Formats: sequence, structure tokens, C-alpha cells
Amino acid sequence: EAGVAQSPRYKIIEKRQSVAFWCNPISGHATLYWYQQILGQGPKLLIQFQNNGVVDDSQLPKDRFSAERLKGVDSTLKIQPAKLEDSAVYLCASSPRGGATDTQYFGPGTRLTVL
Amino acid sequence: QKEVEQNSGPLSVPEGAIASLNCTYSDRGSQSFFWYRQYSGKSPELIMFIYSNGDKEDGRFTAQLNKASQYVSLLIRDSQPSDSATYLCAVNDSSYKLIFGSGTRLLVRP
Repeated sequence: EAGVAQSPRYKIIEKRQSVAFWCNPISGHATLYWYQQILGQGPKLLIQFQNNGVVDDSQLPKDRFSAERLKGVDSTLKIQPAKLEDSAVYLCASSPRGGATDTQYFGPGTRLTVL
Repeated sequence: QKEVEQNSGPLSVPEGAIASLNCTYSDRGSQSFFWYRQYSGKSPELIMFIYSNGDKEDGRFTAQLNKASQYVSLLIRDSQPSDSATYLCAVNDSSYKLIFGSGTRLLVRP
């Protein structure tokens, strides 16, 4: 079974530029998550999708971050414009149903550096 | 603000010893608890989950949960140098959101 795929793996941009990340979840997984992990911290949930609907985006900085999951499969996360504090690893995860006992499986992440 | 607290470490143990990692959480409505291992530069990978009070064993790993004390721990028996990593405690809170602690760095000395 293929795992969660993400691209690109690394991205370096200057502040005020825009950037987009792509994620393809495990086949058949209804729930998709985007996390931000700053160095030395645990992952922080940015947005959770159930199929193609948003379940939770309470911690997504909506003035600069956007995400979509068209057709309920793969997803893109965009930052526009980027700030220095957005430097982090962006992790995508998926789970079968999204319930309390569901296990989340993580992709390899995209390491973003904002200069 | 729902929180998951972990000692950042590093926790240093000799090879073959038992490593004990601890985690406390603030949301009493939390239902499920996960331990993830994260090697440097890699993504988190699930080690164990536990839902009920008590102990759950899987090979060299034992998870312990005490909901009354809002405390969850992970024991690693016969620690190996390959166990050296950051261990993330994650708690599925009452709104089904997974809240991660900042992780405990474990070093297993050969």
C-alpha cells in the first residue's frame, strides 16, 4: 500500500512570495490533514478535510493560507504572501475515517525556508 | 487552550535499559492517545495508541494511561541505539482534533 505522497520536499522562497504544496493521501482515506511543524515543536493542525469538505480550519491563518481538496482526493496548501515565521515543515496526513480512534499516517513533509 | 505537555529532554539511557517517557494533557474529554516516533529530518511514525486506562504492550513498548491523573506514558524496554529519536505524545481531544506535545528527545548510549 502506497503511503502519503507530498511534493516538493524542499522549497526556498523570499518573504512576500507565494508557494504551494501538494499532497496525495493513502488511497481510500476520507480524512486529510495539513500540519505545520516548526523546529523543536510538535505538529500543529492547520486544516482538516473530510472528503472534500472542511472539518476544522480554526488554526489556519486565513489571511495568507488557503487549502483545497478538490474531488475529495489530493489537496493543495498555499501560502500567499509568505512571512519569515512560515519557515517550517508542512506535513500532510491521512486517516481512514477521521474518528477519535483513527490513526493518522504522515507523508514525508515539505521543508519550507522563507528568506 | 488545550495542551499536551512533555519534557523536552534529552533523556539519556544506556543500551539495554528501560526508557520512560511521560506526557500530561489538559482536556478531560480526550478519548484516545498516541505515541509517535520522529527521527531527525523525518516525519512522525506511529508506535502505539491506547484508549483505555491501564497498560498496553506491543513488543518492547508499553503504553500506560491514567485518565484520572490525565497522564500517559511510554516505556521502552531493552532500549537500542536505533530507538534514539524524538517521541511525540498526541492526544485526540473532545473535538477529535489531534494535539501534539513538543516531544521528548531520547538518546540511547551504546
